Amino acid sequence: EAGVAQSPRYKIIEKRQSVAFWCNPISGHATLYWYQQILGQGPKLLIQFQNNGVVDDSQLPKDRFSAERLKGVDSTLKIQPAKLEDSAVYLCASSLESRGAGSTDTQYFGPGTRLTVL
Amino acid sequence: GQNIDQPTEMTATEGAIVQINCTYQTSGFNGLFWYQQHAGEAPTFLSYNVLDGLEEKGRFSSFLSRSKGYSYLLLKELQMKDSASYLCAVRGRDSNYQLIWGAGTKLIIKP
Repeated sequence: EAGVAQSPRYKIIEKRQSVAFWCNPISGHATLYWYQQILGQGPKLLIQFQNNGVVDDSQLPKDRFSAERLKGVDSTLKIQPAKLEDSAVYLCASSLESRGAGSTDTQYFGPGTRLTVL
Repeated sequence: GQNIDQPTEMTATEGAIVQINCTYQTSGFNGLFWYQQHAGEAPTFLSYNVLDGLEEKGRFSSFLSRSKGYSYLLLKELQMKDSASYLCAVRGRDSNYQLIWGAGTKLIIKP
């Protein structure tokens, strides 16, 4: 079974530029998450999708960040314009979204995109 | 508020045993996860506990006490490749099945 795919793996941009990240979840996984992870910290949830609908985007800085999952499969996360404090690793994760008794609904992560804003 | 506490860093010797603790205060409880994260890589799933007690999986074991809001990850027969950060995450009562993440414990293995 193929894992979660992300691209690019690394990106360096200057502040005020825009950048986009792409994620392809594990086949059949209904739930997709975008996280921001700053060095030395745990992942911070930015947005959660279930199929092509947004479940939670309460921590997404909507003045500069946007995300979509148009067909309920692939997703893109965009930052426009970028700030220095956006330098972080952006992780995409997916889960099966089975909520029955005994289900763990484990999240599986992609390799991440390391963003450096200069 | 909701909070997950783990030690920032631990050091252990190759071949030894180490216990990484995690305490949590969350709005309800619906499972606790441990993930391993090597430097520059994504977190990978290690274990899941939802009932009290010990879950053993090879060299790794995870323990949960819901009444104490406490878990630990036990690593036996440490190998150099176990040098990584270990993240504790709790699923609260939130219907969105979201995880509350700790900051992680960086484990350094010395020969």
